[in-house]
Amino acid sequence: GAGVSQSPSNKVTEKGKDVELRCDPISGHTALYWYRQSLGQGLEFLIYFQGNSAPDKSGLPSDRFSAERTGGSVSTLTIQRTQQEDSAVYLCASSQGVGGIVGQPQHFGDGTRLSIL
Amino acid sequence: DQQVKQNSPSLSVQEGRISILNCDYTNSMFDYFLWYKKYPAEGPTFLISISSIKDKNEDGRFTVFLNKSAKHLSLHIVPSQPGDSAVYFCAASEAGNTPLVFGKGTRLSVIA
Repeated sequence: GAGVSQSPSNKVTEKGKDVELRCDPISGHTALYWYRQSLGQGLEFLIYFQGNSAPDKSGLPSDRFSAERTGGSVSTLTIQRTQQEDSAVYLCASSQGVGGIVGQPQHFGDGTRLSIL
Repeated sequence: DQQVKQNSPSLSVQEGRISILNCDYTNSMFDYFLWYKKYPAEGPTFLISISSIKDKNEDGRFTVFLNKSAKHLSLHIVPSQPGDSAVYFCAASEAGNTPLVFGKGTRLSVIA
């Protein structure tokens, strides 16, 4: 498709279970970002992939969170041993990501709404 | 410590009038600023951006103004339309392609 695709759109799971969220970026975009939005808050950066470089994991809130990006395209965000505070909308974005050029906006998917019971 | 602040959680404007949404930032290293619009159950949609070398960027009904000395930017929508009713997020980044720092959003309601 033309836009960023995320799946599932909704996920309800029990506390303590692991979850995997998927992001399919816009074709040709080398930069991929994960954010989350908790109720009443702005978007919070989680992790950033740029081409083949090591990802910037500085936003991950705990070691229960991890992400990978296979073949420079699809990304999976994994949350292990989920907690109730992990409930949020998880958003993925991609951009053309050419380093040093200002002015390449990030384009977002519709997100995965994660609810931990 | 919020680096990007949108101090008005909500704004109501009559159809046809101007909507002005404000955003302040604290990090002087930010050099790229964006506005996104978000409808419920959808991801943010990119609206307009401005780099720090400019003080104004216009795209149709949307204009963004940047005042670097005051670390302030604003989004003007004129004329406002009912379809503009949404939550608007201000975002900023250092050196272009780095993670965005977002404000908490302003909910705009355009009343017919």
